[in-house]
Amino acid sequence: NAGVTQTPKFQVLKTGQSMTLQCAQDMNHEYMSWYRQDPGMGLRLIHYSVGAGITDQGEVPNGYNVSRSTTEDFPLRLLSAAPSQTSVYFCASSLWTGTSGSYEQYFGPGTRLTVT
Amino acid sequence: AQSVAQPEDQVNVAEGNPLTVKCTYSVSGNPYLFWYVQYPNRGLQFLLKYITGDNLVKGSYGFEAEFNKSQTSFHLKKPSALVSDSALYFCAVRARGNTGKLIFGQGTTLQVKP
Repeated sequence: NAGVTQTPKFQVLKTGQSMTLQCAQDMNHEYMSWYRQDPGMGLRLIHYSVGAGITDQGEVPNGYNVSRSTTEDFPLRLLSAAPSQTSVYFCASSLWTGTSGSYEQYFGPGTRLTVT
Repeated sequence: AQSVAQPEDQVNVAEGNPLTVKCTYSVSGNPYLFWYVQYPNRGLQFLLKYITGDNLVKGSYGFEAEFNKSQTSFHLKKPSALVSDSALYFCAVRARGNTGKLIFGQGTTLQVKP
């Protein structure tokens, strides 16, 4: 198993550009999520999904879009990049039963994004 | 709303001494609680979790955590610290039920000195 993979590892964007951060997992996990990590702020939840076709907003969803067309993939789209979106982005996945959130998450290696 | 607080930005301990990394939480009802560790330039790795039952939970690498419902705390502990334990530690909480939100604290840097 490759686990959770993220591409690219590094990206530099200019203000106003758009891009998609890719996330894939091969563990047949229903639950997937995106976090951003900023110094002193910990990890903040952007969007999450509990299955194909189901997504919901986290703590900081503005400026980001997601979709979940397959169980394996959960891309994160930046519509118009801003310097405030400079961060390290982590994707994670876990099992999910619909009523129990007791399963631990597996994290990808992260994407370091710089917006100039 | 769910929230997690890690009151210490950094904890310094000498190798061989016991360590504690503090975590308090706010959530409606009984929570699921987690600890994760992050080594430099890596993703997060799961350490341990509390679901129900015994308040003392044992996890990876000799770590354990104590759930205290009355104090709404879930402190991470280890009896004897190693230099290799130096890393960034995150506490996280999720409310029971069908909500999917897993909320993290801001993280605590653990520095273990030889």
